[in-house]
Amino acid sequence: GAGVSQSPSNKVTEKGKDVELRCDPISGHTALYWYRQSLGQGLEFLIYFQGNSAPDKSGLPSDRFSAERTGGSVSTLTIQRTQQEDSAVYLCASSRDRASGNTIYFGEGSWLTVV
Amino acid sequence: QKEVEQDPGPLSVPEGAIVSLNCTYSNSAFQYFMWYRQYSRKGPELLMYTYSSGNKEDGRFTAQVDKSSKYISLFIRDSQPSDSATYLCAMFAGNNRLAFGKGNQVVVIP
Repeated sequence: GAGVSQSPSNKVTEKGKDVELRCDPISGHTALYWYRQSLGQGLEFLIYFQGNSAPDKSGLPSDRFSAERTGGSVSTLTIQRTQQEDSAVYLCASSRDRASGNTIYFGEGSWLTVV
Repeated sequence: QKEVEQDPGPLSVPEGAIVSLNCTYSNSAFQYFMWYRQYSRKGPELLMYTYSSGNKEDGRFTAQVDKSSKYISLFIRDSQPSDSATYLCAMFAGNNRLAFGKGNQVVVIP
């Protein structure tokens, strides 16, 4: 596609439910990132995928968060047993490869509200 | 000390004024420096990127990097109401992630 595509764009869920957020990176981009943006805060790194290498999960805030990337393309971020503090915008980004990390392109985000 | 410091205070300027934004950082390994623009309820959009110290100009936008002072700036000349957005600085050390500032909300008043 022309850009990074994320779905759903908005999600309201009840506390304790699981949610799945999807990201479809720019075609041909091998590097994929997930970031979280809370109100009034900067972007917080969550996880990074590069090709078939093991992902860098160092930013995941707890074991309730997990992500996978199938076939080196589409990625899914899963949050189990959601809490109110999980309410944020979850942004996916991609770049051509690791060396191109200076040109990272973001999707529009998935706006998650936990009630 | 945070890796990247950006005073998040909102900035209101009249149309046509120069907007000046800046960030400081502590990690000497940062090599690439970016500015992203983020409109309300949209994802960040890459605006400018520079490598190492110096200036880079693109239309009404100028990005400056001073690695010796660990300080980067973004200037917007002849600001327009359409420039009203949040501006995020970001830095990259060639590893797996960008480090972001908190962002500055800019409002250009017609």
